[in-house]
Amino acid sequence: GENVEQHPSTLSVQEGDSAVIKCTYSDSASNYFPWYKQELGKRPQLIIDIRSNVGEKKDQRIAVTLNKTAKHFSLHITETQPEDSAVYFCAAHNAGNMLTFGGGTRLMVKP
Amino acid sequence: GAGVSQSPSNKVTEKGKDVELRCDPISGHTALYWYRQSLGQGLEFLIYFQGNSAPDKSGLPSDRFSAERTGGSVSTLTIQRTQQEDSAVYLCASSLVGTTDTQYFGPGTRLTVL
Repeated sequence: GENVEQHPSTLSVQEGDSAVIKCTYSDSASNYFPWYKQELGKRPQLIIDIRSNVGEKKDQRIAVTLNKTAKHFSLHITETQPEDSAVYFCAAHNAGNMLTFGGGTRLMVKP
Repeated sequence: GAGVSQSPSNKVTEKGKDVELRCDPISGHTALYWYRQSLGQGLEFLIYFQGNSAPDKSGLPSDRFSAERTGGSVSTLTIQRTQQEDSAVYLCASSLVGTTDTQYFGPGTRLTVL
């Protein structure tokens, strides 16, 4: 089955800096890659997603890139703010019709 | 409109007892998912319902776990003979049609097995 690895597990940045979280997946048939943000004590919420027919997608300060050849995708957050502090999960959807989640990255933005 | 709701929000039980966790998906969503999240860990897939199709139970960790979805809406996750390692937050999510649609999560049920 699909295996999704996410790095780093924790990331601390200064407010205003950029943050990058990387994920790799194992199933070359995977075609949909969402990113979820989970604030402390709250439910995960989708922040951005990308499908396998594009290489990059941006939404304001957030961007996701996908390299299908290398089977990895990344989340980029620019001009980080304290409210960006949360746990971020990547996921990959594969032909098995299932979303497999990465282990999560705890992002801390220091003011 | 209303989002995904779950009940109870917290459940404390004794080892060996059975528990039932409930999920109300967003109205009109045909796909429903159950996940387990242990403290500080990622999301572990448990089971997936899509319309009237047979559920994908491939993530259920043991035969003590079962789930049903009545009338294509409300779902109940049942854990029999609970063990301490079952302690976790159980999250339900729904999506419009399938697994490539945005999944909307409920607030979760925090289960503690003493």
